Amino acid sequence: QQPVQSPQAVILREGEDAVINCSSSKALYSVHWYRQKHGEAPVFLMILLKGGEQKGHEKISASFNEKKQQSSLYLTASQLSYSGTYFCGTRTGANNLFFGTGTRLTVIP
Amino acid sequence: NAGVTQTPKFQVLKTGQSMTLQCAQDMNHEYMSWYRQDPGMGLRLIHYSVGAGITDQGEVPNGYNVSRSTTEDFPLRLLSAAPSQTSVYFCASSRNRDYEQYFGPGTRLTVT
Repeated sequence: QQPVQSPQAVILREGEDAVINCSSSKALYSVHWYRQKHGEAPVFLMILLKGGEQKGHEKISASFNEKKQQSSLYLTASQLSYSGTYFCGTRTGANNLFFGTGTRLTVIP
Repeated sequence: NAGVTQTPKFQVLKTGQSMTLQCAQDMNHEYMSWYRQDPGMGLRLIHYSVGAGITDQGEVPNGYNVSRSTTEDFPLRLLSAAPSQTSVYFCASSRNRDYEQYFGPGTRLTVT
């Protein structure tokens, strides 16, 4: 039930954009996005719910395609502080959250 | 608010020893969970609780026990430590399953 994230790693220059994808083999009820910096705890970015509701930080943009069982996280005009590992977690029905293995994002000057 | 606190930060155990990882939150959250994080594996759910007195198993529960006698505390017990339990353990809390989870700082456990 673990979602698949792509790409596994990406390197950006400051100001560039990136898209991180998360896909599931099962119908999704919700998708959760977190960012984790090295040696720290994961930090919440956004939740997307079936039916279109979104909860999260205003500066973060994401989409949820229920039909394709996919979500994408959009990082625009990247800053050095965006560096870290991004995890998506997916919930199918009443099940618990299953996290992907992460996408390592590095932003360089 | 302290948020979610975990103790200890680091722990070394010998195989066969038992111990309890402590987790507490002061946000009056009903939903609490324990995850382990291994290199390249992401976060895997061990046990979770939807309120005081209610706990259930997650993805990787074997070798761990939990209890939830109060809303604030959710300790994780390792019954007989094994080297395969070497990992970083995170406790998290939220209002419910589909709200922002607040993670504690983690406990780095090494079993020799």
